[in-house]
Amino acid sequence: DAGITQSPRHKVTETGTPVTLRCHQTENHRYMYWYRQDPGHGLRLIHYSYGVKDTDKGEVSDGYSVSRSKTEDFLLTLESATSSQTSVYFCAISARLAETYNEQFFGPGTRLTVL
Amino acid sequence: TQLLEQSPQFLSIQEGENLTVYCNSSSVFSSLQWYRQEPGEGPVLLVTVVTGGEVKKLKRLTFQFGDARKDSSLHITAAQPGDTGLYLCAGQGSGGSNYKLTFGKGTLLTVNP
Repeated sequence: DAGITQSPRHKVTETGTPVTLRCHQTENHRYMYWYRQDPGHGLRLIHYSYGVKDTDKGEVSDGYSVSRSKTEDFLLTLESATSSQTSVYFCAISARLAETYNEQFFGPGTRLTVL
Repeated sequence: TQLLEQSPQFLSIQEGENLTVYCNSSSVFSSLQWYRQEPGEGPVLLVTVVTGGEVKKLKRLTFQFGDARKDSSLHITAAQPGDTGLYLCAGQGSGGSNYKLTFGKGTLLTVNP
């Protein structure tokens, strides 16, 4: 199994509070991703990183920010949590983006509930 | 925007039956991946198909990439309860979008003993 951990695994928070989720990898992979998974929507990309301090937005980035100060860590921050951000969040990593490969390996997920 | 339509959305069958899951798009993908996800866990990569018309087998699972690289199928022979899970297809963009995987919404398979 790819060495990916996410913390916390579960969190309950209140509307308006900031929340930070952490993804840690031991594979030294260049690319890291944050997705959210919701019923009826599947997996949607929030942000991704293509190197230390290099990040870009995905399709559902509003209300989220990310940081990557080390190869192994990718942080997702909800600046002011809302109920619509209740979801399961997955981190993924991939080693390369050659024209025909972007095989991603996923962490175990963080279940976030915003009350 | 690239979209991937998966069908069926839900599938409940008896042990020993065969089944096929479909993944269709109007867009061309440079590669297509299939993942399986169990409750409370992250998706796990099963296979990547790259060439139009390619067929890959993984024990009782057969994966096919369409000739035009717009669609794919997953066929399971003699399904077993251990095959139960959410099956996701994901297409890789090309060129400047090759960082991106577009996921289908998944097929939830239940195999009853």
